[in-house]
Amino acid sequence: EVQMVESGGGLVQPGGSLRLSCAASGFAFSSHWMSWVRQAPGKGLEWVANIKEDGSEKYHVDSVKGRFSISRDNAKDSLFLQMNSLRADDTAVYYCARESIVTSGVDFWGQGTLVTVSS
Amino acid sequence: SYELTQPPSMSVSPGQTASITCSGDKLGDKNPCWYQQKPGQSPVLVIYQGSKRPSGIPERFSGSNSGNTATLTISGTQAMDEADYYCQAWASKVFGGGTKLTVL
Repeated sequence: EVQMVESGGGLVQPGGSLRLSCAASGFAFSSHWMSWVRQAPGKGLEWVANIKEDGSEKYHVDSVKGRFSISRDNAKDSLFLQMNSLRADDTAVYYCARESIVTSGVDFWGQGTLVTVSS
Repeated sequence: SYELTQPPSMSVSPGQTASITCSGDKLGDKNPCWYQQKPGQSPVLVIYQGSKRPSGIPERFSGSNSGNTATLTISGTQAMDEADYYCQAWASKVFGGGTKLTVL
């Protein structure tokens, strides 16, 4: 069974840092591009970042460039998002997302972890 | 930056057809996808490459795209289809703002 479990969310003050983790199981993690997608409370989906199967290519949405960094550890089937200089508008549920190998789209989503940036 | 536009909301009667549009510059060339998200749940991919249905998605869900517009069509809409629907231009990863579909 495919599973992706996010952790690391919580309450942080503006300017602070958090590291999100996503533990994957039930599939060949190292064969997939992986993404982080966020959703602010009551709002729509926003793609945040993605990373190639071997970690050699990484892309981030403009609003987080220079503050967030996506990474992965294929030996541990894990995906990470290092978030620095957090702002109130980063408050959201952050989803770990598996990109389909043979088609387009995100074909599996984690349950999400809530990040709240507030003083 | 690239933008996708969806109607914020729409309603449909049970058994009728719902058509949700998504517009963006040359969207048809950007491999549009559609996701369904029910309250408190993670999104689910319902259409990829504009018109293809993943395994397990009911046949009443279909997609089309041409030029600047992609359309998600739900035929014979059921109460269980009430949800938020998001389009995504896969080539650029941008999402539309979402459409809240009410079945009443």
